[in-house]
Amino acid sequence: DAGVIQSPRHEVTEMGQEVTLRCKPISGHDYLFWYRQTMMRGLELLIYFNNNVPIDDSGMPEDRFSAKMPNASFSTLKIQPSEPRDSAVYFCASTSGQADGYGYTFGSGTRLTVV
Amino acid sequence: QKEVEQDPGPLSVPEGAIVSLNCTYSNSAFQYFMWYRQYSRKGPELLMYTYSSGNKEDGRFTAQVDKSSKYISLFIRDSQPSDSATYLCAMKKGANNLFFGTGTRLTVIP
Repeated sequence: DAGVIQSPRHEVTEMGQEVTLRCKPISGHDYLFWYRQTMMRGLELLIYFNNNVPIDDSGMPEDRFSAKMPNASFSTLKIQPSEPRDSAVYFCASTSGQADGYGYTFGSGTRLTVV
Repeated sequence: QKEVEQDPGPLSVPEGAIVSLNCTYSNSAFQYFMWYRQYSRKGPELLMYTYSSGNKEDGRFTAQVDKSSKYISLFIRDSQPSDSATYLCAMKKGANNLFFGTGTRLTVIP
């Protein structure tokens, strides 16, 4: 398996522009998570899905952030409009609910810079 | 108070030293405890996991959980330069919501 695949690896955009981050989870995993990592706050859970349904989006900072999972093999995280404080590394992770004690498999992340 | 507390370091040790990394937590409902390793510009990768209290050993790595003290540790024996990374503790209650520490940056000096 190729693991969790995220794209793009790097994104530099101007303030006010729309940004879309993409994730392909591991085949067969029924949970998908979006995290944001910064030096100050560490890893923060933004939202997670179970069987393509959003379960908890309480970590989404504000209405500028939205996430979708149209099918089991694809998810997007969108920021519109983007702001400099959104600059961070965004990780997608997946896991199987059948393996209750197992951790998550993370992608390599998208490094977002908003100027 | 954050649910999981971890000393951010940085921690710098000579090659061959024993490294001790620690986390404390406040929620007694946590049952699954994990350590992730994150190399620079990479995603975290699962290193060790334990269920409930006790020790688990895997090669040079030992994970220890003390639920009575709400304290978990990761020991690295005979540390190598390739162990230089950020180590994050993580834990969960059962449902799939993993709580992470902020990570400890470790450098092993040759």
